[in-house]
Amino acid sequence: GIQVEQSPPDLILQEGANSTLRCNFSDSVNNLQWFHQNPWGQLINLFYIPSGTKQNGRLSATTVATERYSLLYISSSQTTDSGVYFCAATLSNTGKLIFGQGTTLQVKP
Amino acid sequence: SAVISQKPSRDICQRGTSLTIQCQVDSQVTMMFWYRQQPGQSLTLIATANQGSEATYESGFVIDKFPISRPNLTFSTLTVSNMSPEDSSIYLCSVGMGTTEAFFGQGTRLTVV
Repeated sequence: GIQVEQSPPDLILQEGANSTLRCNFSDSVNNLQWFHQNPWGQLINLFYIPSGTKQNGRLSATTVATERYSLLYISSSQTTDSGVYFCAATLSNTGKLIFGQGTTLQVKP
Repeated sequence: SAVISQKPSRDICQRGTSLTIQCQVDSQVTMMFWYRQQPGQSLTLIATANQGSEATYESGFVIDKFPISRPNLTFSTLTVSNMSPEDSSIYLCSVGMGTTEAFFGQGTRLTVV
């Protein structure tokens, strides 16, 4: 089945810094999503981005489907950006999401 | 987008007991899913909840341990049976197709003592 790998596993930033999180997937996908998990465990949808580039405020994402990777950019990081970021992909129309292992981000004031 | 209400949000249960988690969606959806997130780990799919038929379980998960109901297109339940401390996890329901955005409930944080 499809493999999803994220890097780095952990990231510590000073407030105001920029960062890039990477997600590699092993096969062609028709769904690629980025989530932020808050301290209460809730998954917050950031981007649905099977291909192309999207931006939402300080966050943006790019998926290059032909090269099987996606990037999440966080600019001018804030302490509230701390948490775990997951990417997840589906291989077919099953709707089943395969999650990467996550990137744990800590933003220090 | 779909709005998903999941309850309870958290619970502390005695080992050997069972807990039923409910998931309500604000619109009819074809596919509903249940995921587990063990402490410090990523999310793993437990099963696909099928309306009108038995759930489809992923490798490593069985119906006797995680019975699932799907009585209609807006509601599903997951039961964690005969619990042990190893079942302490966050359980999340989700809706979505492969070509559309998936959405998650707020999760149920289960602690088994």
